[in-house]
Amino acid sequence: EVQLLESGGGLVQPGGSLRLSCAASGFTFSSYAMIWVRQAPGKGLEWVSAISDSGGSTKYADSVKGRLTISRDNSKNTLYLQMNSLRAEDTAVYYCAKAAPYSGSPWDFDYWGQGTLVTVSS
Amino acid sequence: QSALTQPASVSGSPGQSITISCTGTSSDVGGYNYVSWYQQHPSKAPKLMIYEVTNRPSGVSNRFSGSKSGNTASLTISGLQAEDEADYYCTSYTSSSTVVFGGGTKLTVL
Repeated sequence: EVQLLESGGGLVQPGGSLRLSCAASGFTFSSYAMIWVRQAPGKGLEWVSAISDSGGSTKYADSVKGRLTISRDNSKNTLYLQMNSLRAEDTAVYYCAKAAPYSGSPWDFDYWGQGTLVTVSS
Repeated sequence: QSALTQPASVSGSPGQSITISCTGTSSDVGGYNYVSWYQQHPSKAPKLMIYEVTNRPSGVSNRFSGSKSGNTASLTISGLQAEDEADYYCTSYTSSSTVVFGGGTKLTVL
């Protein structure tokens, strides 16, 4: 059974840092691209960052470029999101998700974690 | 990249059909057959319902169908059921080789 379990969320002051983790199981983690998507309270979904299966290619939404860094450790089946210089507008539930193998698009995701809440506030 | 445009809300009675639109540009929806739809129940993770405009992942009811014309994609749910009440989001591949989400549509089953 595919499982994605996010952790690392919490309350942080503006300008602070957090590192989110997403522990994967039930599939060959190193074979799939992964994504972080966030959802501010009461708002819609917004993609944050994506990484290729090997980790050699990464992409970022303009809103987080230069502040957030995606990475992965395929030996530990874990995806990460290092979040620096956090702002109030980064407050959201952060989901990790796995690329769908049956889609021709690299941007379709078939399994999602339950999310971890990041709150940026003084 | 601006968000794709979806109606804020739609509603229908059990057994009826509803359609949710998703409007983009020639740089996203109109340019690629890579439109997807996700269903999200409150406090739950999104679920992929449609990919590549018309395809359903295994296990998704055939009451859900997708289509596209020009820069607008649509999700149709037939035979509405109470369990279909949720938020629905469209996404599209973009000319920047990234993805753009729609603003989301709240479906109410009356």
